[in-house]
Amino acid sequence: GAGVSQTPSNKVTEKGKYVELRCDPISGHTALYWYRQSLGQGPEFLIYFQGTGAADDSGLPNDRFFAVRPEGSVSTLKIQRTERGDSAVYLCASSSGLAGAGQYFGPGTRLTVL
Amino acid sequence: GNSVTQMEGPVTLSEEAFLTINCTYTATGYPSLFWYVQYPGEGLQLLLKATKADDKGSNKGFEATYRKETTSFHLEKGSVQVSDSAVYFCALPGRAGNMLTFGGGTRLMVKP
Repeated sequence: GAGVSQTPSNKVTEKGKYVELRCDPISGHTALYWYRQSLGQGPEFLIYFQGTGAADDSGLPNDRFFAVRPEGSVSTLKIQRTERGDSAVYLCASSSGLAGAGQYFGPGTRLTVL
Repeated sequence: GNSVTQMEGPVTLSEEAFLTINCTYTATGYPSLFWYVQYPGEGLQLLLKATKADDKGSNKGFEATYRKETTSFHLEKGSVQVSDSAVYFCALPGRAGNMLTFGGGTRLMVKP
């Protein structure tokens, strides 16, 4: 079956611009996660959705970052007034939400802020 | 909070060599433990997992045993192949809600 998909695969933007990154999870997965991975490091948690609501957004670095999942499926990560330090690969993952279930990752969106 | 520490790389091996990548964890209770792999140019893939103490996860010739006595979840493979060259991440749930906390990753390079 189809895995997690993310669009775009690459995004280049200028400092100060607004960007949206999209994630389409595995069908039927209720839990959705956003992570950020900088070069040479492990992914770092940003936000977690259970259904439509953000169950934990404690990983968002500041109020320029926001994410939505209005119908409990597709999610959009939104970054306002981008800064060069936002450059990273943004990963989305989904899972069944059951205890012990693994998370399945998309290919990521590489964001470059010039 | 929960955390993992894994050995730094890169690890360079010849084909058919034995592989161990160390991972130790600090956790409240006994959470599930995971190994993920990231092949060049690809996304993270779940390699194997163990959900309770003494469980052994296995996949593609890789194994890892959940050892609560030593708080470890070392990844092993008896005979590596060039195609195993990748970055390997140890991970566990960070807090309630199951978001994952990852180690820094270990790059494995297998030479023919």
